[in-house]
Amino acid sequence: KAGVTQTPRYLIKTRGQQVTLSCSPISGHRSVSWYQQTPGQGLQFLFEYFSETQRNKGNFPGRFSGRQFSNSRSEMNVSTLELGDSALYLCASSFRDTENTEAFFGQGTRLTVV
Amino acid sequence: KNEVEQSPQNLTAQEGEFITINCSYSVGISALHWLQQHPGGGIVSLFMLSSGKKKHGRLIATINIQEKHSSLHITASHPRDSAVYICAVRFQTGGGADGLTFGKGTHLIIQP
Repeated sequence: KAGVTQTPRYLIKTRGQQVTLSCSPISGHRSVSWYQQTPGQGLQFLFEYFSETQRNKGNFPGRFSGRQFSNSRSEMNVSTLELGDSALYLCASSFRDTENTEAFFGQGTRLTVV
Repeated sequence: KNEVEQSPQNLTAQEGEFITINCSYSVGISALHWLQQHPGGGIVSLFMLSSGKKKHGRLIATINIQEKHSSLHITASHPRDSAVYICAVRFQTGGGADGLTFGKGTHLIIQP
């Protein structure tokens, strides 16, 4: 069974540009959540989707957005990139939308903003 | 404020030692996760707990809901256990649960 796949793995963008990251969950999983990891702040929750609906959103500015498609694949978009957006972006998928369900993480996309 | 505290921040031990990593949280939760992250970034989910104790190989995780505390134990530690171990909880707020809140991680090094 294939794991969670994130593309691309590495990305370099310039300040002011926008970026789209992709996450393909494990087959059959309908819940996808996104996280940002930086050396200073550690791991922080961005948003969570289930069946194409955003269920929860973390404390990030509106420049960060996401969506989920009918096949459960998810994308997140960051507009007007800032240097501080440089981070490892991780997504995780799970089978159900309930609280007590194991999360499976992808390898992450490392975004560098220059 | 909903917070997750992990200790110790860094831990260096000799191969074969018994390792304990602690996690405490501020308010009620619906679930607690223990995660392992190796250099390069990939995260592996080790355990998800809402009560009691779980064991997988040399790893044991316990949670005390009343004390708001969880521990991750590694028995007969091995250099391949060297990684960052992260505690994450899903707080129960309002009518439902928010996304995961993470501890800052414990950087574990097991020396041969």
